[in-house]
Parts: sequence; C-alpha cells; structure tokens
Amino acid sequence: AQSVTQLGSHVSVSEGALVLLRCNYSSSVPPYLFWYVQYPNQGLQLLLKYTTGATLVKGINGFEAEFKKSETSFHLTKPSAHMSDAAEYFCAVSRNNQGGKLIFGQGTELSVKP
Amino acid sequence: GAGVSQSPSNKVTEKGKDVELRCDPISGHTALYWYRQSLGQGLEFLIYFQGNSAPDKSGLPSDRFSAERTGGSVSTLTIQRTQQEDSAVYLCASSLVPSQDAQYFGPGTRLLVL
Repeated sequence: AQSVTQLGSHVSVSEGALVLLRCNYSSSVPPYLFWYVQYPNQGLQLLLKYTTGATLVKGINGFEAEFKKSETSFHLTKPSAHMSDAAEYFCAVSRNNQGGKLIFGQGTELSVKP
Repeated sequence: GAGVSQSPSNKVTEKGKDVELRCDPISGHTALYWYRQSLGQGLEFLIYFQGNSAPDKSGLPSDRFSAERTGGSVSTLTIQRTQQEDSAVYLCASSLVPSQDAQYFGPGTRLLVL
C-alpha cells in the first residue's frame, strides 16, 4: 500500500529565509506526485506536480520540488519565504492503476515570522 | 472559468438525520472525487467517478455513506443517520484526466453533527 510521510507537522521560518518542507513516499512503482496548499477555510490549491520528465518541477508562487527516486522523496522548497506563504501544505501521490485517487500526507503547517 | 463549487458551505445537523452534499465539477472534467478532511484522520479519499465506469467506492467508511453522479456532471454525497464522528469538511475535486492531471478542489462543505 502506498503511504506519504511529511516530516514535521509544524515548520516555522523567518521572512526571507529558505522554506523546506519534506515529503517521502512509499510505492513499489514511481507514483505521480503533487503538492497542494490550503489557506484557512479554503479548499486545496495545486502548487506543482510531477508525472514524468524533468525531476525538478517549478510551481506557482516561487515554489519548486525535486523528485528523487533513489531517496523516494519529493521535498518542497522556496528560496525566500513571504508572510503570505503561511498556510498548510500537503504532499500527495497517485498511481495510474488506481484511478488517480490521491493519498495525502498528514500536512505541514508553515508559519512565517516577520 | 468557473471552478469546482460545493453547497452548502456549512451544514449543522442533529445526530441521526440524513444530509446531502452537492458538488458541481469544472465543466468538461470527466473525473470527480470526494475526500473528507478531519482533525483526527487528515485527508481521506472517499469515492471516485470516471465517465460511465462503475465508481470506486473503496474509501467510503460505512454503508451509511453513498454518492451518485448524474449526467456525468453534478454529484451528491449522502450520509444517512449521521453520527458525531461524521463531522468534518467534505471536499470535492475534479480532473480532466485521472491520475496524471491535477485535481481541482472546491471550497468544501463543513459538516457539524450535534
């Protein structure tokens, strides 16, 4: 069975500092990988996705993630945090033979200090 | 264009009552998903519809939960004889192509069972 692990339920960074949110997955075959962001009282918004091709994926709002098969990881980074980045971030996987249903990590709440 | 819409945005009901939650997917999206988000369980897949195929109901937590999708568009999630543990945010998502395509989420319906 697939699973997704996000290390750290809460991450706090200073404005302007590097953001690193960790995601590891377990899967017998490379899955499709996604990062979503959720602002308070809103639905989930797609940040970026990896399906095939280039392993470094760029998304919206300056975020990017790198698929590392050898490490079964898909960590999310942003060089310089903004106050507006404060939200909850979810890593998710899906597989082609499972109809695309997403398996989510438990989420990481990002706080940005001024 | 219009995104995924859900109604109602909030629903308060008494234990034992039935509730219906509605989802309008993005026009032209063939795949539709329901998820549940709760404090204790995180984000959980419930059910998936793809075109005219039989739905994947593998995530429904009990036989009190059912869903239908009429005309390949609007979907209704029904919870019969609601219990307090059903209190959660119910999220609907749609995608153009299952698996590889990103899922676009609605704002959710917040259900509170008293």
